[in-house]
Amino acid sequence: GAVVSQHPSRVICKSGTSVKIECRSLDFQATTMFWYRQFPKQSLMLMATSNEGSKATYEQGVEKDKFLINHASLTLSTLTVTSAHPEDSSFYICSAGKRESSYNEQFFGPGTRLTVL
Amino acid sequence: GQSLEQPSEVTAVEGAIVQINCTYQTSGFYGLSWYQQHDGGAPTFLSYNALDGLEETGRFSSFLSRSDSYGYLLLQELQMKDSASYFCAVRDLGAGANNLFFGTGTRLTVIP
Repeated sequence: GAVVSQHPSRVICKSGTSVKIECRSLDFQATTMFWYRQFPKQSLMLMATSNEGSKATYEQGVEKDKFLINHASLTLSTLTVTSAHPEDSSFYICSAGKRESSYNEQFFGPGTRLTVL
Repeated sequence: GQSLEQPSEVTAVEGAIVQINCTYQTSGFYGLSWYQQHDGGAPTFLSYNALDGLEETGRFSSFLSRSDSYGYLLLQELQMKDSASYFCAVRDLGAGANNLFFGTGTRLTVIP
């Protein structure tokens, strides 16, 4: 199997605080992980590609200083939303693929619902 | 850039067959995937097409025509639990072959 976990599943914070979301591949190594955000009833928007041991690659329009990504090991990537504001409230989902399946299938974490008051 | 279009909503009767279409535009096409997402849940992989033709996995089949930049997901013997959102997604060589870009999503409602 291929299991990806995220923590926390749900977080509520005050405006101006920072929130860290963890994404872990539990039974495989992931040199690359992906971070998405999803607004209610909308599609998943790729935010950035997290690369183990190197800097993340951000999609156009995503502020790298606001959404800090760290891929510290082959099984862990973190997304930190800095100085969160209400407009950052969203569903954040990570995913990873497996080299042996040529990355044809992405395995998604259960998501983190962020609410900024 | 990438753009993918799907119908926003589809309703079908339990036991019936439904087809969800997807048209796409990418700078470097590398494959078309389909994912299912129930409300509040994570997307789960259904199928992947890199070459033209039909891929069958149980009740679900997926078709791709690269010359038409078009694909579809076919769901047979619909069950109530199939009510969910379905997304097509492309891998784009130009943007990093492992990156997935998702379509707008089709909300399928299965009725008794």
